[in-house]
Amino acid sequence: QSVLTQPPSVSGAPGQRVTISCSGTSSNIGAGYDVHWYYQVPGTAPKLLISGDTNRPSGVPDRFSVSKSGTSVSLAIAGLQAEDEGDYYCQSFDSSLSAWVFGGGTKVTVL
Amino acid sequence: QLQLQQSGPGLVKPSETLSLTCTVSGGSITDSTYYWGWIRQPPGKGLEWIASIDYGGRTYYNPSIKSRVTISPDTSNNQFSLRLTSVTAADTAVYYCARHPLTMILGFYWGQGTLVTVSS
Repeated sequence: QSVLTQPPSVSGAPGQRVTISCSGTSSNIGAGYDVHWYYQVPGTAPKLLISGDTNRPSGVPDRFSVSKSGTSVSLAIAGLQAEDEGDYYCQSFDSSLSAWVFGGGTKVTVL
Repeated sequence: QLQLQQSGPGLVKPSETLSLTCTVSGGSITDSTYYWGWIRQPPGKGLEWIASIDYGGRTYYNPSIKSRVTISPDTSNNQFSLRLTSVTAADTAVYYCARHPLTMILGFYWGQGTLVTVSS
């Protein structure tokens, strides 16, 4: 059972906008710890996609954006492309556990 | 550019100790702005943070696995290591080493990972 909760899968047609939620608690997201998102192609290492509200590593398009509300954060992918297929993970820090924590991951499928 | 290279046995017997080393290039494990850590991913499953160490050698462990884990630095070789004792099949996973900032405003930077299988 992951500390951060994500939907197992989301899907959309090319060009559509999809969102992935990451739900936490008052000891992680609600406590103000930054949430980071990673993209992983199966068989390869995760790569940092976006940190906090707007910090994208070089090369990550602005089609990826983040919004926050209370103890949840959502990653939005606008203009969905075939290359966006893969697994997406959220990550933060939990002060009650004194541990870095991950969501269970969301598989994005482009229809 | 930062590079993190994991090394260690790919097969460990049940009840034995898993040992992995991460060699860092393009950065220093004594850099006061970063933690250096280990994360694992069982086949077909999600990510689990295991442990991290800071520039001063202070250690941080996942409470769920703390009793079996040791993370340690080797500053002379710019490496850090993971030891996991009394392994079972449930410890079979890809093990990643990573760097992450003390400020926590940025995320993890990952090595390429190494698969460790626990089997007799």
